[in-house]
Amino acid sequence: GQQLNQSPQSMFIQEGEDVSMNCTSSSIFNTWLWYKQDPGEGPVLLIALYKAGELTSNGRLTAQFGTTRKDSFLNISASIPSDVGIYFCAGVGGSNYKLTFGKGTLLTVNP
Amino acid sequence: NAGVMQNPRHLVRRRGQEARLRCSPMKGHSHVYWYRQLPEEGLKFMVYLQKENIIDESGMPKERFSAEFPKEGPSILRIQQVVRGDSAAYFCASSPQNGFDYGYTFGSGTRLTVV
Repeated sequence: GQQLNQSPQSMFIQEGEDVSMNCTSSSIFNTWLWYKQDPGEGPVLLIALYKAGELTSNGRLTAQFGTTRKDSFLNISASIPSDVGIYFCAGVGGSNYKLTFGKGTLLTVNP
Repeated sequence: NAGVMQNPRHLVRRRGQEARLRCSPMKGHSHVYWYRQLPEEGLKFMVYLQKENIIDESGMPKERFSAEFPKEGPSILRIQQVVRGDSAAYFCASSPQNGFDYGYTFGSGTRLTVV
């Protein structure tokens, strides 16, 4: 089945620093998604990308859909303590209802 | 506007018991999707249901697991004769129409622990 490789697995940064994480796949996806999951909660959608090469921002978050349709990255600028959580990439392929998730990046922000 | 409601939030079962997980979709949503998250893993698709129909159960284990979404009431994910490997967080999501493009919202999950 389709698999997403997400890196890094975890990050420890100081408040105010920028963060970058990425996902790669051996398969093509039609849509790339980035989610954040807080402890004990479900994933919440941060950014959705629908076209190869698309660059989209949501506040301090910026994400890009790779031109090969096999990768995506997420940047968080000027991190703050509430950015702590697990960030997941997900891809939507041939079945438009089935999301394939990466294993997540655990972000810790030291105040 | 209530979101996707899942209950219970936490469920403890002994090996061999049955687990029933409930998911009430958002108002106006008739499409439900179940995902499982093992510890330190991403979510994995299990099943997609519409009212009274199973559309895609390709991610469901072949034995002991079943899902339904009746005409009235919540969607139910049922796990019979639970084993320790079933311990995980189970999430459901709902959408107003087929697929992600129409808005796909996750609930807060049910954390199943098998002892």
